[in-house]
Amino acid sequence: GAVVSQHPSRVICKSGTSVKIECRSLDFQATTMFWYRQFPKQSLMLMATSNEGSKATYEQGVEKDKFLINHASLTLSTLTVTSAHPEDSSFYICSARVTGNTYEQYFGPGTRLTVT
Amino acid sequence: GQSLEQPSEVTAVEGAIVQINCTYQTSGFYGLSWYQQHDGGAPTFLSYNALDGLEETGRFSSFLSRSDSYGYLLLQELQMKDSASYFCALRDDKIIFGKGTRLHILP
Repeated sequence: GAVVSQHPSRVICKSGTSVKIECRSLDFQATTMFWYRQFPKQSLMLMATSNEGSKATYEQGVEKDKFLINHASLTLSTLTVTSAHPEDSSFYICSARVTGNTYEQYFGPGTRLTVT
Repeated sequence: GQSLEQPSEVTAVEGAIVQINCTYQTSGFYGLSWYQQHDGGAPTFLSYNALDGLEETGRFSSFLSRSDSYGYLLLQELQMKDSASYFCALRDDKIIFGKGTRLHILP
């Protein structure tokens, strides 16, 4: 149980285009999901907290107009990187918290974004 | 704010024991977690300490001392497959990761 999927696993896009990454909780409901970004050989940096039915909360320094987050259902959150640039190339990982459980988060397998 | 410090790299020999330390600063948290991440993969959960003391899970053990703002991960009977990055993380309403420790294992 407690499986989180991400789609796509890898994506290559051209500079200036937008790309959407999906995060799904497959066998549980997740009121809250989190989006992380990880550059090579660095830590996972929390970008934003996504709550179903409400606006996402962004961490300091993360541009909310560039990284659009939508959490329209209890099992799906999406991250759209708008007007992508090469510096946005990174490993994007989502995690989902089981509704009603304060402690457990389950991580997705990650999406490798390369912007050319 | 919250911050965590851990060594950037540790090297150990196959079959040996290694300890990865983590110190942190926070005004409040539920507990300290440890995650393993292999190159190209997502982090996988290893251990969680909500209370002071030692938690043991197979070859892995984790320790927390809230009074010292300190924890560690202990890996025993090291295997080559344990070569990975290990992150300590503060668990609050969200999870904040340390910078990670790269574990190199020599045959």
